[in-house]
Amino acid sequence: DSGVTQTPKHLITATGQRVTLRCSPRSGDLSVYWYQQSLDQGLQFLIQYYNGEERAKGNILERFSAQQFPDLHSELNLSSLELGDSALYFCASSARQGKGETQYFGPGTRLLVL
Amino acid sequence: AQSVSQHNHHVILSEAASLELGCNYSYGGTVNLFWYVQYPGQHLQLLLKYFSGDPLVKGIKGFEAEFIKSKFSFNLRKPSVQWSDTAEYFCAVGSGGYQKVTFGTGTKLQVIP
Repeated sequence: DSGVTQTPKHLITATGQRVTLRCSPRSGDLSVYWYQQSLDQGLQFLIQYYNGEERAKGNILERFSAQQFPDLHSELNLSSLELGDSALYFCASSARQGKGETQYFGPGTRLLVL
Repeated sequence: AQSVSQHNHHVILSEAASLELGCNYSYGGTVNLFWYVQYPGQHLQLLLKYFSGDPLVKGIKGFEAEFIKSKFSFNLRKPSVQWSDTAEYFCAVGSGGYQKVTFGTGTKLQVIP
């Protein structure tokens, strides 16, 4: 158990819908990272937040957005869902944002878009 | 932009065989290197990491990796694998002030009893 929690574990929805994935970082960690893992794309970095502010963006679609709240939990919003958005979405956290920080991963949310 | 290559996509070994998984990266600056493992149905867990110092890094569960700067490589090794090592292994490279981490495509290891 890494100390990072994600809800829900599984999510089934239809194309065109919107969903919100939630992540609670390890106690004391200020950085939160979101990743998408799919069979064809592998593990892709989406976005990073540090203490409430966006710090880095990866391959995140415009239909996706995220935020980190004052209590440091983070939400990833996926809208206008397409079949290709079906994937495992991981959240990771680290203590700071600096060099050499280890990221600790949550159990993931498995999203299935039908 | 940095990139990570894991050339072996699927490796099948018998128990007690030795393991070496290749990882090469491309980035001109200073990097931090990681190996993560993902057991079936579970999340990624850190196996080991290299930031600086001794290029031979020892991790959990008997794994080790060697950073060879001249070859831009960070190969993972284990002298004798067990059935419980069946998992997917990801190499990752971190760089920059905000620690942008790029993952390789992963290597699925299957250990046959």
